[in-house]
Order: sequence, then structure tokens, then C-alpha cells
Amino acid sequence: NAGVTQTPKFRVLKTGQSMTLLCAQDMNHEYMYWYRQDPGMGLRLIHYSVGEGTTAKGEVPDGYNVSRLKKQNFLLGLESAAPSQTSVYFCASSPWTSGRETQYFGPGTRLLVL
Amino acid sequence: DAKTTQPTSMDCAEGRAANLPCNHSTISGNEYVYWYRQIHSQGPQYIIHGLKNNETNEMASLIITEDRKSSTLILPHATLRDTAVYYCMRESHSGNTGKLIFGQGTTLQVKP
Repeated sequence: NAGVTQTPKFRVLKTGQSMTLLCAQDMNHEYMYWYRQDPGMGLRLIHYSVGEGTTAKGEVPDGYNVSRLKKQNFLLGLESAAPSQTSVYFCASSPWTSGRETQYFGPGTRLLVL
Repeated sequence: DAKTTQPTSMDCAEGRAANLPCNHSTISGNEYVYWYRQIHSQGPQYIIHGLKNNETNEMASLIITEDRKSSTLILPHATLRDTAVYYCMRESHSGNTGKLIFGQGTTLQVKP
């Protein structure tokens, strides 16, 4: 049982390049989340999903797109990377009950945009 | 808007109890209080949550005041590995999504 895994662990992009971050969970959780964390800051929610085929915007969705084609995977896309998107990205999942269950986090993806 | 207030930093001696306060004076009746922590460079880790009653698990205890306007996380015997940023949060009660709003948290430094 690997929990929540993220791919890649680290990536360097040039301004304008695109990339996709992959989050996978093997706990059969309904809910999945993408956060970003800037230096010295708490996490901010980018997008989230309450089930396969559904996504919704969080606090800071601009510049990002997401897809949840399979229950176990949640993809975060950057179509045209900007230096302001340099950050650490965390994915999380939680089971569906009343929404008041704990979130399980992945190890993070460190992204540097030059 | 994190809607909770925590001290920026705290120190604690190894082996002593660490008491981390949190103010959530505008919390609504059906919002839970959650505590997570983040050890350097790792993903956040769930610690404990509660609604009204005090809660205890293998990691910590959570004391919630009767008026629910504040709470305290207690690590009974802090170790060096408990050095981390501790986040107190209210569940964002919006459409049953279970969203958590992270603030700046409290940086706890456990010293030998």
C-alpha cells in the first residue's frame, strides 16, 4: 500500500513550457486535492475533485488545469509555465464520508520555472 | 482567510509537554477543528481533529474550550522529531468537499 505518490519529484521548466504532474493513490479515496506551497507559506488549494470525472476550482486555480479520468489518478497541468509557478506542489486524497475525514498527502513535487 | 490564529513560533524542551494554542473565535457549530503538522520538506501529516469534546490519540491530545472559540494541541512528551510547523484549521464547510484552509501555522522547535 503505497498511499499517495507523486511524479516527478523535481522538475525544471523554462518559461512557456508545459508539463503535467501526476498524483496517484491506492486507497480507493473519492476526494483528491492539489495544493501549492511557496517558501515560508502555508498550503493553498489549487483544484480539487470529489469523484471520478469531476473537478472544481480552489483558492488559486489560474494557470492550472486538472483532470480526474480515473478514480486513482489526479493530474495537474501547466499549459504555459511562468516563474510565479515555481513552488512545491502537494497532492492529497481523502475518503468520502461527510467530507470530514483526514487528508493523506504525497511527498511533493518541486518545480522550478526559469 | 485561514480563520484561525496561531503564534508564529514556540520552543519546547525535549521530554516536556508542548502546548500549542489556536484561536478560532468565529467557528460555526458544525465545523470541526483539525490539526496537521509538516516536518521540513515533507507533505503535511494529520494529527487529530475534534468538534466539541476533548480528543486523544497516540500522537496528541486536543482540548477545545466549552465555547469552542479556541483549542490547544498537546504533545505530552515532545521529542526532537516533533520539530515541525503545526497547522490548526477549520474544515471549510462548503458543499461537503472537506476542503482545508491552511494558514501560516506555528513553528515548534523542540530543543535538547
